[in-house]
Amino acid sequence: KNQVEQSPQSLIILEGKNCTLQCNYTVSPFSNLRWYKQDTGRGPVSLTIMTFSENTKSNGRYTATLDADTKQSSLHITASQLSDSASYICVVRFYGNNRLAFGKGNQVVVIP
Amino acid sequence: DVKVTQSSRYLVKRTGEKVFLECVQDMDHENMFWYRQDPGLGLRLIYFSYDVKMKEKGDIPEGYSVSREKKERFSLILESASTNQTSMYLCASTLTANTGELFFGEGSRLTVL
Repeated sequence: KNQVEQSPQSLIILEGKNCTLQCNYTVSPFSNLRWYKQDTGRGPVSLTIMTFSENTKSNGRYTATLDADTKQSSLHITASQLSDSASYICVVRFYGNNRLAFGKGNQVVVIP
Repeated sequence: DVKVTQSSRYLVKRTGEKVFLECVQDMDHENMFWYRQDPGLGLRLIYFSYDVKMKEKGDIPEGYSVSREKKERFSLILESASTNQTSMYLCASTLTANTGELFFGEGSRLTVL
């Protein structure tokens, strides 16, 4: 079973609207969680990192949350733009051995 | 800015051919990785290296080998390509293994006929 589950698998949103992507994980022990954005045909790029003690972190119109007790994270996109069309990948790092567990990504399509 | 450069964006090879995928990073990172990415499966780790001449198997090393002769360069080798190795291959590097951000290359899309 995958240790990082993302939902929804894909979604279509209108330009200017908000959306929220979910990441649930079972990784233990936990070190940190990163959200990456991957444009079509490009490599992923880190948006934000969340550590155990952090609840919320923003990067422009992207806001990530982390609930380490329930092992859930979300990525909220505010006032979406066409350039937000991408796959968003949740990556969780194990504490101690530095292994990474990857989610399969949320595919977001923003339409005018 | 960190730059990770993969030598080929698109390759088409025939079954049984030897394939070299090269990756170069310019930030003196110790750690380098090769992943493959397939629809519905996400990113899977093939091999990684924590130092020159060192290599560790990832989750799916079968059919692949790697070479790290210099710190900045990490090569992925398919000794005898097969059709099930058709995929997007992503190289990444990171400065610190315990918290570091992965910096990815643009990817190499390999098609094996």
